[in-house]
Parts: sequence; C-alpha cells; structure tokens
Amino acid sequence: DAGVIQSPRHEVTEMGQEVTLRCKPISGHDYLFWYRQTMMRGLELLIYFNNNVPIDDSGMPEDRFSAKMPNASFSTLKIQPSEPRDSAVYFCASSLGQGYSPLHFGNGTRLTVT
Amino acid sequence: GDSVTQMEGPVTLSEEAFLTINCTYTATGYPSLFWYVQYPGEGLQLLLKATKADDKGSNKGFEATYRKETTSFHLEKGSVQVSDSAVYFCALSRAGGSYIPTFGRGTSLIVHP
Repeated sequence: DAGVIQSPRHEVTEMGQEVTLRCKPISGHDYLFWYRQTMMRGLELLIYFNNNVPIDDSGMPEDRFSAKMPNASFSTLKIQPSEPRDSAVYFCASSLGQGYSPLHFGNGTRLTVT
Repeated sequence: GDSVTQMEGPVTLSEEAFLTINCTYTATGYPSLFWYVQYPGEGLQLLLKATKADDKGSNKGFEATYRKETTSFHLEKGSVQVSDSAVYFCALSRAGGSYIPTFGRGTSLIVHP
C-alpha cells in the first residue's frame, strides 16, 4: 500500500498565481479530507468528500479556494488567485469513513506564496 | 459540539524520562479516541487508538486508556527516546452523526540526549 500521495511536496509561487495541489487517496477509502496547517491556526479542515461528493466545505476560507474529486483516485485543491496568507502546509487524508477508522495522511504540500 | 483539549507544549524531557501528555474530550455518545504523531516534514500518522471505554491502545511503547468517567485519553510512555521528538495530536470521531474527526491542537515533545 503506497499510502496517500500528494504532489507537489513544495510549491513556491507569486501572489496572484493559480496553485493546484493534488492528492491520490488510498484505494478503497471512501472519505477524503483536505486540511491546512499553520503555526497560528493549527490544523484546519477545509473540505471533505464522501464517495467523490463534497459533503462539507464550510472550512474553505474564501471563494478563491475550490476542490474537486473527479473520481475515487484523485482530488485537487485549487487556489486562484493565491495570496501570501495562503502560505501553509496542505494535507490530504483518506479514510474508510467509519467512526473507529483512523485517517491516513499524505506528507503534505508546503505552499509558499511570495 | 465535539471538542478535544490537550496540554500546551512544548514538553521538554531528557532521554529515558517518563512521558504524560494529557487529553480530555467532550462528545456525545461513545466516540473512538486516537493519538496521532507528526514527525518533522511529515503528515500525521496513527500512533494508537481505543474504540470503547476502558480499552487500552498501545504502540511503540506508548499507551493510552479510554476513561469515560473522566472523559480522558492521556498518552504515556515509560522511557522516551530522542527519536520520539515530534508533535502529538489527540483526536476523536463518532460512528453516528457527523463522522468528521475532531483534533486537539497538538503537543510538541522535545527529548534531549
């Protein structure tokens, strides 16, 4: 099992540019989560999907953020346009979605917006 | 709503010292409880879990017991190593209702040789 795979590991971009983060969940997991981690705010849930359908996007900070899951093996988080305050580590996680099932996290994408 | 409270860090210990990281929770029903560990530059990974009252989760020398009467799930290790330096997150999730896991803010552990 390759685990949750995220790409890229690091992204440096200029303010105003579009950023796309990618995630491949563990095969067979039907829940997918996007989190953002910063020193100031800790770990924040942005959005989660169940069977490829977005269930709760109340954590998405602004309309500049969007997420899609076109199939069970791929999801993207897009920021357009990016701003310096978006700099953070973005994690994708997947799970079997039962209360006793843990989340499996990828190694994250460190985004720096200059 | 559900919540998880962890002790503030950083916790700084010498190698071979005893470790306790406190975690208390608020939730309806009977949640499952988890400890995750995050090493530098990596994502969170499951350390141990317990799914019902009085269960003890254990892994890599770490232990935590699900105490419903005190709504606690404290993490302990008898003898820490430098390699245990990381951030530890307590979390809960419920089988019914909203499945969304609730995480604590994390506790940084620094172990000196």
